[in-house]
Amino acid sequence: GAGVSQSPSNKVTEKGKDVELRCDPISGHTALYWYRQSLGQGLEFLIYFQGNSAPDKSGLPSDRFSAERTGGSVSTLTIQRTQQEDSAVYLCASSSGGARRWTQYFGPGTRLLVL
Amino acid sequence: GENVEQHPSTLSVQEGDSAVIKCTYSDSASNYFPWYKQELGKRPQLIIDIRSNVGEKKDQRIAVTLNKTAKHFSLHITETQPEDSAVYFCAASKGRAAGNKLTFGGGTRVLVKP
Repeated sequence: GAGVSQSPSNKVTEKGKDVELRCDPISGHTALYWYRQSLGQGLEFLIYFQGNSAPDKSGLPSDRFSAERTGGSVSTLTIQRTQQEDSAVYLCASSSGGARRWTQYFGPGTRLLVL
Repeated sequence: GENVEQHPSTLSVQEGDSAVIKCTYSDSASNYFPWYKQELGKRPQLIIDIRSNVGEKKDQRIAVTLNKTAKHFSLHITETQPEDSAVYFCAASKGRAAGNKLTFGGGTRVLVKP
């Protein structure tokens, strides 16, 4: 079946502008995660959604970052007043609630460049 | 919070040789340890994982070992091939209690020379 998809694949924006990044998880997956990967670095946890529970926002680096998940499926990560240090690849992952619930499947990422 | 250290940061091996990547973690409550392979410009792909109730797991040329006492785990790739060239990431999770969120190591860039 279809994997995790993300859009756009690339985004170039000017410092100070807002951006929205979208994630479509694997159908039926109840958990959705956002990670950030800076150039040449590992992945950094940002936020986690599980079903109808309140999201775990403990990884968001500042209040300029927010995310929502509508209808338990699609998620949008919003970065307000972007800064150059926000430039990175933003990766989304999802996992099921079944026997392999701990396995996270990643999307291709959105490469964000803030000029 | 959890901290995962990964070594080496780069690894160059001759085709056919073995490659070993090591990770240490700080939180003894971590109980799930996946390894991801990321080729240039591609998404991370899970290649093998291990739960804390198991000491070793193998899948063809890939194996992972876990030492809970020492809080470290390793990835072993035998008979390396050029297509094994990629960046490998280890990660740790405390499972459901922490939302299964992953803490990643910094990555190891593996180059297999033909």
